[in-house]
Amino acid sequence: LAKTTQPISMDSYEGQEVNITCSHNNIATNDYITWYQQFPSQGPRFIIQGYKTKVTNEVASLFIPADRKSSTLSLPRVSLSDTAVYYCLVGDSPGGYQKVTFGIGTKLQVIP
Amino acid sequence: EAGVTQSPTHLIKTRGQQATLRCSPISGHTSVYWYQQALGLGLQFLLWYDEGEERNRGNFPPRFSGRQFPNYSSELNVNALELEDSALYLCASSSLMAGDNEQFFGPGTRLTVL
Repeated sequence: LAKTTQPISMDSYEGQEVNITCSHNNIATNDYITWYQQFPSQGPRFIIQGYKTKVTNEVASLFIPADRKSSTLSLPRVSLSDTAVYYCLVGDSPGGYQKVTFGIGTKLQVIP
Repeated sequence: EAGVTQSPTHLIKTRGQQATLRCSPISGHTSVYWYQQALGLGLQFLLWYDEGEERNRGNFPPRFSGRQFPNYSSELNVNALELEDSALYLCASSSLMAGDNEQFFGPGTRLTVL
């Protein structure tokens, strides 16, 4: 299972775009990249998933370079309510996530 | 559509006791996952059940066990509780028929071992 590395914390002002990069150097051919968001005292919530290039939904964008050894979650114009922990996971779907440790994630603090 | 539910919300036990945590998945989901989130740490995968069977297990001792019932609800049992078992226990469900295997999490059970 591919190990992921992401910054422990980030600060951003309201209205700015936030980019969180995750490294996954030993990603396998069948692996997808998935990001979850967790607010305090709540369970994580799926944000976005991708395999290659770019994926965009109503919440975020996910950029994956050709070598797929990293990925970047982009949150446009963050607000205070985006303050949360963001987790990057890699694994094949279905099955690959079942033994994955979410890790510590990146704690994003949005400042007014 | 009702989400994943967990009970109880909070549970206080003493060292050596047993704890039972319950989870009801989203209707139609056959897979249930259990995670442990200790204070300041990430989510550690505990167990995965699908169609009533244990499919995978994380690096936890045997005193962590569980089961999945015919209605796909699940129970996590922790025997011989230790102080370090104090954590938020999260349950998630998913449908393996869906291509992305998105996991939907419940609110968690806060277990405190005194």
